[in-house]
Amino acid sequence: NAGVTQTPKFRILKIGQSMTLQCAQDMNHNYMYWYRQDPGMGLKLIYYSVGAGITDKGEVPNGYNVSRSTTEDFPLRLELAAPSQTSVYFCASSYSRGTQETQYFGPGTRLLVL
Amino acid sequence: QQQVKQSPQSLIVQKGGISIINCAYENTAFDYFPWYQQFPGKGPALLIAIRPDVSEKKEGRFTISFNKSAKQFSLHIMDSQPGDSATYFCAAYPQANAGGTSYGKLTFGQGTILTVHP
Repeated sequence: NAGVTQTPKFRILKIGQSMTLQCAQDMNHNYMYWYRQDPGMGLKLIYYSVGAGITDKGEVPNGYNVSRSTTEDFPLRLELAAPSQTSVYFCASSYSRGTQETQYFGPGTRLLVL
Repeated sequence: QQQVKQSPQSLIVQKGGISIINCAYENTAFDYFPWYQQFPGKGPALLIAIRPDVSEKKEGRFTISFNKSAKQFSLHIMDSQPGDSATYFCAAYPQANAGGTSYGKLTFGQGTILTVHP
């Protein structure tokens, strides 16, 4: 099992450009999440999905979009990149969303918007 | 609004010493408290977790102490080693019957960068 994989590892964007951060998991998990991590701020939930075709907003969704066409993939789309979106992005998955359910994280994508 | 407050922001400990990281929460609907460990360049990984019906949980050198009345919990790392150097996040899960939009969502603390010197 590869677990949760993310691509790319690092990307530099110019202001106004768009890109898609890829996330895939091979654990047959129903639930997937996107977080951003900023220094001293912990991890903030951007979007999450409870299954293919079902997504919902997290704490900081503005400027992002997601889709979930398959159980395995959960891409995060950035439209019109802004410097405030400079961050490290983590994708995670879990079998369910119940209490005590472990979330498994990918290695992250570091994004720099200039 | 920071529902889980973590301190200190950074911590330096000598090898063999005890590392202590503290967290406090506000939402009484939280009822599961995991700690995640993150090494540089990696994603967070579950380290240890506790439910509020116990006051302490120990796994090897890692211990969580929980004070439900004070709404505080802490991670103790005994005999700290240079390999423990990482960022540690406390987190909280709401109750299964909490309902609303918070169900199933982890709330993270701000993180503590631990450095253990040889």
